[in-house]
Amino acid sequence: QKEVEQNSGPLSVPEGAIASLNCTYSDRGSQSFFWYRQYSGKSPELIMFIYSNGDKEDGRFTAQLNKASQYVSLLIRDSQPSDSATYLCAVKDTGRRALTFGSGTRLQVQP
Amino acid sequence: GAGVSQSPSNKVTEKGKDVELRCDPISGHTALYWYRQSLGQGLEFLIYFQGNSAPDKSGLPSDRFSAERTGGSVSTLTIQRTQQEDSAVYLCASSLGVAGQGNIQYFGAGTRLSVL
Repeated sequence: QKEVEQNSGPLSVPEGAIASLNCTYSDRGSQSFFWYRQYSGKSPELIMFIYSNGDKEDGRFTAQLNKASQYVSLLIRDSQPSDSATYLCAVKDTGRRALTFGSGTRLQVQP
Repeated sequence: GAGVSQSPSNKVTEKGKDVELRCDPISGHTALYWYRQSLGQGLEFLIYFQGNSAPDKSGLPSDRFSAERTGGSVSTLTIQRTQQEDSAVYLCASSLGVAGQGNIQYFGAGTRLSVL
């Protein structure tokens, strides 16, 4: 059973701080990694995707991938109360189109 | 359409009844996916369509669940003889269906199914 693990949280950070969200996955063959943001009662919204080892930055968001450690993370700089949501890590395995999702980390940004 | 459209947004049914959930993907997206999300949980994959074919239906939990897609567009997920454990949000996603960034899945707003 391929697994994607996330700390359920809540992760609480003060406004303006860096929020660090982590995800580990079990399948070494995984190739593509996605971070989705989900507000309560809403559908998942893509924040970042990353395919290669290293960092990928987009505005206040940085995704970090370490395939050797089977670890992917999302950093949110200058966190805002509007960033308060559940962040879902998703992994696409080799030869499959489906995504395997973690159960999500709830982030709370305190004003 | 501009995004993935799902209907109904909410469905309340009695145990033992059949339900049909509809998904209209983003125009031009050849790949379509169904997931479900139980309260407080991550998304669980159900089935994937490429065009009208379903090369991966490994996530369907039982033979009470079936899905079809016609015209390479709209898909219907049918749950027969619903049970209380079927209560969840059923999410549909679509993608371009090609490698690379074409794998990115865009989600609809979901159908919240409640089985009484």
